[in-house]
Amino acid sequence: AQSVSQHNHHVILSEAASLELGCNYSYGGTVNLFWYVQYPGQHLQLLLKYFSGDPLVKGIKGFEAEFIKSKFSFNLRKPSVQWSDTAEYFCAVNAGTGGFKTIFGAGTRLFVKA
Amino acid sequence: GAVVSQHPSWVICKSGTSVKIECRSLDFQATTMFWYRQFPKQSLMLMATSNEGSKATYEQGVEKDKFLINHASLTLSTLTVTSAHPEDSSFYICSARLHPDYEQYFGPGTRLTVT
Repeated sequence: AQSVSQHNHHVILSEAASLELGCNYSYGGTVNLFWYVQYPGQHLQLLLKYFSGDPLVKGIKGFEAEFIKSKFSFNLRKPSVQWSDTAEYFCAVNAGTGGFKTIFGAGTRLFVKA
Repeated sequence: GAVVSQHPSWVICKSGTSVKIECRSLDFQATTMFWYRQFPKQSLMLMATSNEGSKATYEQGVEKDKFLINHASLTLSTLTVTSAHPEDSSFYICSARLHPDYEQYFGPGTRLTVT
Protein backbone atom coordinates (compact mmCIF):
# COMPACT_ATOMS: atom_id res chain seq x y z
CA ALA A 1 0.00 0.00 0.00
CA GLN A 2 1.06 3.53 -0.64
CA SER A 3 2.15 5.72 2.24
CA VAL A 4 3.56 9.21 2.48
CA SER A 5 5.86 10.47 5.19
CA GLN A 6 6.57 14.10 5.93
CA HIS A 7 9.49 14.56 8.26
CA ASN A 8 8.68 17.83 9.91
CA HIS A 9 5.38 18.53 11.57
CA HIS A 10 6.16 22.10 12.55
CA VAL A 11 8.70 24.47 11.07
CA ILE A 12 9.38 28.02 12.19
CA LEU A 13 11.51 30.28 10.02
CA SER A 14 12.33 33.93 9.78
CA GLU A 15 11.58 35.82 6.60
CA ALA A 16 14.22 35.38 3.90
CA ALA A 17 15.34 32.04 5.30
CA SER A 18 15.48 29.08 2.97
CA LEU A 19 12.95 26.29 3.24
CA GLU A 20 13.13 22.60 2.59
CA LEU A 21 10.33 20.24 3.57
CA GLY A 22 10.97 16.55 3.31
CA CYS A 23 8.60 14.04 1.77
CA ASN A 24 9.15 10.33 1.23
CA TYR A 25 6.74 7.83 -0.19
CA SER A 26 6.54 4.10 -0.33
CA TYR A 27 5.45 2.66 -3.64
CA GLY A 28 7.58 0.81 -6.11
CA GLY A 29 5.83 1.70 -9.32
CA THR A 30 5.17 4.81 -11.31
CA VAL A 31 3.91 7.68 -9.20
CA ASN A 32 2.48 11.13 -9.59
CA LEU A 33 3.61 13.49 -6.88
CA PHE A 34 2.06 16.65 -5.54
CA TRP A 35 2.53 19.38 -3.02
CA TYR A 36 -0.59 21.14 -1.80
CA VAL A 37 -0.82 24.16 0.45
CA GLN A 38 -3.57 25.20 2.83
CA TYR A 39 -3.42 28.82 3.92
CA PRO A 40 -5.21 29.72 7.15
CA GLY A 41 -8.94 29.65 6.58
CA GLN A 42 -8.64 28.59 2.97
CA HIS A 43 -9.00 25.35 1.10
CA LEU A 44 -6.27 23.22 -0.36
CA GLN A 45 -4.51 24.50 -3.43
CA LEU A 46 -2.00 22.83 -5.69
CA LEU A 47 1.54 24.19 -5.40
CA LEU A 48 3.19 21.93 -7.93
CA LYS A 49 3.08 18.47 -9.39
CA TYR A 50 5.31 15.91 -10.99
CA PHE A 51 4.05 13.43 -13.53
CA SER A 52 7.10 12.73 -15.68
CA GLY A 53 10.06 14.44 -17.33
CA ASP A 54 12.37 16.88 -15.59
CA PRO A 55 12.56 15.79 -11.96
CA LEU A 56 12.95 19.39 -10.84
CA VAL A 57 9.55 20.97 -11.01
CA LYS A 58 8.67 24.56 -10.41
CA GLY A 59 5.41 25.66 -8.95
CA ILE A 60 3.64 28.80 -7.97
CA LYS A 61 4.98 31.47 -5.62
CA GLY A 62 8.62 30.50 -6.10
CA PHE A 63 8.32 26.95 -4.83
CA GLU A 64 10.09 24.02 -6.44
CA ALA A 65 10.43 20.35 -5.70
CA GLU A 66 12.85 17.67 -6.77
CA PHE A 67 11.85 14.09 -7.45
CA ILE A 68 14.64 11.67 -6.57
CA LYS A 69 13.42 8.26 -7.62
CA SER A 70 16.24 6.34 -5.94
CA LYS A 71 15.38 7.93 -2.62
CA PHE A 72 11.60 7.83 -3.06
CA SER A 73 11.62 11.50 -2.18
CA PHE A 74 9.93 14.66 -3.36
CA ASN A 75 11.22 17.49 -1.20
CA LEU A 76 9.78 20.97 -1.42
CA ARG A 77 12.07 23.98 -1.46
CA LYS A 78 11.95 27.74 -1.54
CA PRO A 79 15.10 29.87 -1.42
CA SER A 80 13.60 32.74 0.55
CA VAL A 81 10.33 32.48 2.45
CA GLN A 82 7.91 35.29 3.14
CA TRP A 83 5.49 35.87 5.96
CA SER A 84 2.69 35.07 3.52
CA ASP A 85 4.04 31.54 3.14
CA THR A 86 2.72 30.71 6.60
CA ALA A 87 0.47 27.74 5.91
CA GLU A 88 0.22 23.99 6.10
CA TYR A 89 1.91 22.01 3.37
CA PHE A 90 0.88 18.53 2.30
CA CYS A 91 2.80 16.10 0.16
CA ALA A 92 0.64 13.67 -1.78
CA VAL A 93 1.20 10.62 -3.93
CA ASN A 94 -0.94 8.96 -6.54
CA ALA A 95 0.02 5.68 -8.16
CA GLY A 96 0.48 6.57 -11.79
CA THR A 97 -0.77 3.47 -13.46
CA GLY A 98 -4.48 4.11 -13.43
CA GLY A 99 -4.41 4.99 -9.78
CA PHE A 100 -7.66 6.27 -8.48
CA LYS A 101 -6.73 7.67 -5.13
CA THR A 102 -4.26 10.14 -3.73
CA ILE A 103 -2.67 9.58 -0.36
CA PHE A 104 -1.62 12.56 1.71
CA GLY A 105 1.18 12.99 4.18
CA ALA A 106 0.49 14.24 7.68
CA GLY A 107 1.29 17.81 6.72
CA THR A 108 3.86 20.33 7.84
CA ARG A 109 2.82 23.54 9.53
CA LEU A 110 5.10 26.38 8.50
CA PHE A 111 5.18 29.60 10.46
CA VAL A 112 7.23 32.44 9.05
CA LYS A 113 8.17 35.20 11.44
CA ALA A 114 8.11 38.70 10.03
CA GLY B 1 -8.98 27.23 -13.04
CA ALA B 2 -11.24 24.39 -12.04
CA VAL B 3 -13.60 25.13 -9.19
CA VAL B 4 -15.18 22.75 -6.74
CA SER B 5 -17.93 23.88 -4.41
CA GLN B 6 -19.41 22.31 -1.32
CA HIS B 7 -22.70 22.92 0.35
CA PRO B 8 -23.31 23.62 3.13
CA SER B 9 -20.09 25.12 4.40
CA TRP B 10 -21.17 24.60 7.99
CA VAL B 11 -23.91 22.48 9.51
CA ILE B 12 -25.02 21.66 13.03
CA CYS B 13 -27.30 18.70 13.58
CA LYS B 14 -28.65 16.70 16.45
CA SER B 15 -27.41 13.26 17.30
CA GLY B 16 -29.34 10.59 15.42
CA THR B 17 -30.24 12.70 12.43
CA SER B 18 -28.80 12.51 8.92
CA VAL B 19 -26.91 15.19 7.07
CA LYS B 20 -26.25 15.49 3.36
CA ILE B 21 -23.23 17.32 1.97
CA GLU B 22 -23.01 18.21 -1.70
CA CYS B 23 -19.89 18.51 -3.78
CA ARG B 24 -20.06 20.06 -7.22
CA SER B 25 -17.49 20.61 -9.93
CA LEU B 26 -18.59 23.93 -11.38
CA ASP B 27 -16.73 24.20 -14.63
CA PHE B 28 -15.56 20.72 -15.49
CA GLN B 29 -16.78 17.17 -15.54
CA ALA B 30 -15.29 15.00 -12.86
CA THR B 31 -15.32 11.30 -13.45
CA THR B 32 -13.78 10.75 -10.05
CA MET B 33 -14.54 12.47 -6.79
CA PHE B 34 -12.98 11.91 -3.42
CA TRP B 35 -14.21 12.47 0.10
CA TYR B 36 -11.80 13.26 2.90
CA ARG B 37 -12.13 13.90 6.56
CA GLN B 38 -9.79 16.27 8.35
CA PHE B 39 -9.45 16.35 12.10
CA PRO B 40 -8.06 19.45 13.79
CA LYS B 41 -4.37 19.86 13.17
CA GLN B 42 -4.24 16.60 11.26
CA SER B 43 -3.92 15.53 7.69
CA LEU B 44 -6.64 14.56 5.31
CA MET B 45 -7.93 11.05 5.71
CA LEU B 46 -9.34 9.57 2.54
CA MET B 47 -12.77 8.14 3.22
CA ALA B 48 -13.89 7.00 -0.20
CA THR B 49 -13.42 7.34 -3.91
CA SER B 50 -16.41 7.58 -6.18
CA ASN B 51 -16.62 7.22 -9.91
CA GLU B 52 -19.63 8.54 -11.73
CA GLY B 53 -22.30 5.93 -12.16
CA SER B 54 -20.71 3.30 -9.97
CA LYS B 55 -20.54 2.44 -6.31
CA ALA B 56 -18.04 4.23 -4.15
CA THR B 57 -14.90 2.49 -2.96
CA TYR B 58 -14.46 2.96 0.75
CA GLU B 59 -11.19 2.95 2.63
CA GLN B 60 -10.60 0.44 5.33
CA GLY B 61 -12.32 1.37 8.54
CA VAL B 62 -14.90 3.65 6.94
CA GLU B 63 -18.46 2.42 7.40
CA LYS B 64 -20.20 2.51 4.06
CA ASP B 65 -23.63 2.27 5.64
CA LYS B 66 -22.92 5.29 7.76
CA PHE B 67 -21.28 7.44 5.13
CA LEU B 68 -23.40 7.08 2.02
CA ILE B 69 -21.83 8.40 -1.14
CA ASN B 70 -23.68 8.97 -4.36
CA HIS B 71 -21.99 10.18 -7.52
CA ALA B 72 -25.06 10.71 -9.62
CA SER B 73 -23.58 12.86 -12.36
CA LEU B 74 -20.27 14.11 -13.65
CA THR B 75 -20.63 17.30 -11.64
CA LEU B 76 -22.24 16.17 -8.41
CA SER B 77 -21.35 13.85 -5.58
CA THR B 78 -23.10 13.71 -2.23
CA LEU B 79 -22.01 12.42 1.15
CA THR B 80 -24.75 11.57 3.61
CA VAL B 81 -23.80 11.02 7.21
CA THR B 82 -26.53 8.81 8.58
CA SER B 83 -27.53 8.63 12.25
CA ALA B 84 -24.87 11.14 13.12
CA HIS B 85 -23.08 11.01 16.44
CA PRO B 86 -20.88 13.60 18.12
CA GLU B 87 -17.77 11.66 17.09
CA ASP B 88 -18.74 12.30 13.46
CA SER B 89 -18.11 15.99 14.04
CA SER B 90 -15.32 16.91 11.70
CA PHE B 91 -14.32 18.84 8.62
CA TYR B 92 -15.32 17.03 5.44
CA ILE B 93 -13.58 17.91 2.21
CA CYS B 94 -14.34 16.72 -1.28
CA SER B 95 -12.16 16.87 -4.31
CA ALA B 96 -12.70 16.18 -7.98
CA ARG B 97 -10.41 14.99 -10.66
CA LEU B 98 -10.42 15.50 -14.40
CA HIS B 99 -9.79 12.35 -16.33
CA PRO B 100 -7.13 11.42 -17.42
CA ASP B 101 -5.40 14.26 -15.55
CA TYR B 102 -4.62 13.10 -12.04
CA GLU B 103 -4.58 16.50 -10.39
CA GLN B 104 -7.32 16.97 -7.82
CA TYR B 105 -9.24 20.16 -7.20
CA PHE B 106 -10.49 20.64 -3.69
CA GLY B 107 -13.67 22.08 -2.33
CA PRO B 108 -13.64 24.51 0.59
CA GLY B 109 -14.86 21.90 3.05
CA THR B 110 -17.91 21.44 5.25
CA ARG B 111 -17.71 21.67 8.99
CA LEU B 112 -20.12 19.27 10.63
CA THR B 113 -20.96 19.61 14.30
CA VAL B 114 -23.17 16.97 15.88
CA THR B 115 -24.68 17.91 19.22
